[in-house]
Amino acid sequence: DTAVSQTPKYLVTQMGNDKSIKCEQNLGHDTMYWYKQDSKKFLKIMFSYNNKELIINETVPNRFSPKSPDKAHLNLHINSLELGDSAVYFCASSQDLPGTQYFGPGTRLTVL
Amino acid sequence: AQTVTQSQPEMSVQEAETVTLSCTYDTSESDYYLFWYKQPPSRQMILVIRQEAYKQQNATENRFSVNFQKAAKSFSLKISDSQLGDAAMYFCAYYSGGGADGLTFGKGTHLIIQP
Repeated sequence: DTAVSQTPKYLVTQMGNDKSIKCEQNLGHDTMYWYKQDSKKFLKIMFSYNNKELIINETVPNRFSPKSPDKAHLNLHINSLELGDSAVYFCASSQDLPGTQYFGPGTRLTVL
Repeated sequence: AQTVTQSQPEMSVQEAETVTLSCTYDTSESDYYLFWYKQPPSRQMILVIRQEAYKQQNATENRFSVNFQKAAKSFSLKISDSQLGDAAMYFCAYYSGGGADGLTFGKGTHLIIQP
């Protein structure tokens, strides 16, 4: 009964390709997020969605686009992948306690 | 913008001993929330403890407790009776409480438990 799940867990691809990472939460939360963790383990918010509306976008290149087909899903599409996009991407969700976010297992993206 | 600083890139402690991880933050807000997350080698982000800024009482979760000093903008994590399973990266995080803001994380402290 995974609360926040992501697929795939590992993704290896070539520069210039387009890829997607899927996220699903079964917690009934209203808000979902995407974070990027770089090679130095630094975590930074990329996007959040609240009731299908994009709330914040932290200077992320427009090659990245979040898409939320419904409240339980927030997918991340990445176009024209670059070497610098290699990182671990985490999905998270929240609702009940302010700020308390529940994270998925992460997707390690490697761009060759 | 809010910033979170963890000044200890790495800490080491003997099993069964107590260790304290430091965190300071900068904000002009009066209402906010602070967190410690644990990331073991499995890379799963696990919530350890949560503190509301309006509460003077320090949060406690079993062997984990915090020392929250609002005026000093300090939020340290104390781990008592350290266990091998506590070995992980520990991240301090800040949330301003506005809408759907994301968490602002520190750079993390790598905790090593020596048997």
